[in-house]
Amino acid sequence: QQQVKQSPQSLIVQKGGISIINCAYENTAFDYFPWYQQFPGKGPALLIAIRPDVSEKKEGRFTISFNKSAKQFSLHIMDSQPGDSATYFCAASIGQGAQKLVFGQGTRLTINP
Amino acid sequence: NAGVTQTPKFQVLKTGQSMTLQCAQDMNHEYMSWYRQDPGMGLRLIHYSVGAGITDQGEVPNGYNVSRSTTEDFPLRLLSAAPSQTSVYFCASSYAGLVYNEQFFGPGTRLTVL
Repeated sequence: QQQVKQSPQSLIVQKGGISIINCAYENTAFDYFPWYQQFPGKGPALLIAIRPDVSEKKEGRFTISFNKSAKQFSLHIMDSQPGDSATYFCAASIGQGAQKLVFGQGTRLTINP
Repeated sequence: NAGVTQTPKFQVLKTGQSMTLQCAQDMNHEYMSWYRQDPGMGLRLIHYSVGAGITDQGEVPNGYNVSRSTTEDFPLRLLSAAPSQTSVYFCASSYAGLVYNEQFFGPGTRLTVL
């Protein structure tokens, strides 16, 4: 059972466009929702994270939108750049420390120049 | 700081062989975890540890053993490798505490079981 479902599997966006990746979760006990970015041959790295007491968090060109009632959250990348081409994973966990992350399936994002 | 280091980078095993994937961190993190990454599956938690001497199972623990004798090291053991264990393995670490702490991932070990 996939507790966190991510879509789309792959996404192609033109340079300067907006990239949007969506995730949905089942377990209402989740209280920490990070997004990780992974480049080929590397480990995932934290990009941005949100807790369910806020509906949006923005860091530079990256924004998380969170809808608690719908149990959905999404990553928006504004002014997408070729350097943003990577695989993105949403995740969720319960409680502090976040050492037990449940990941989505991943989205391979390609930004065309 | 080297961060989270993993060895080896690549490994090929035959079915039934055993091996240990090494993981070390120099950030004095209490929490350490092992994940496996498979296409279309994301990353799945194998085992985790909240401190030296304390380990617990994650989502997919079968076929893997762990121990944590020091804060720095968290090795993952495959006792009898199977083709289903072909995957990329990531070790991660994070601080304990009252805030939601970032997990730092190592560069991964790509394992192929023939």
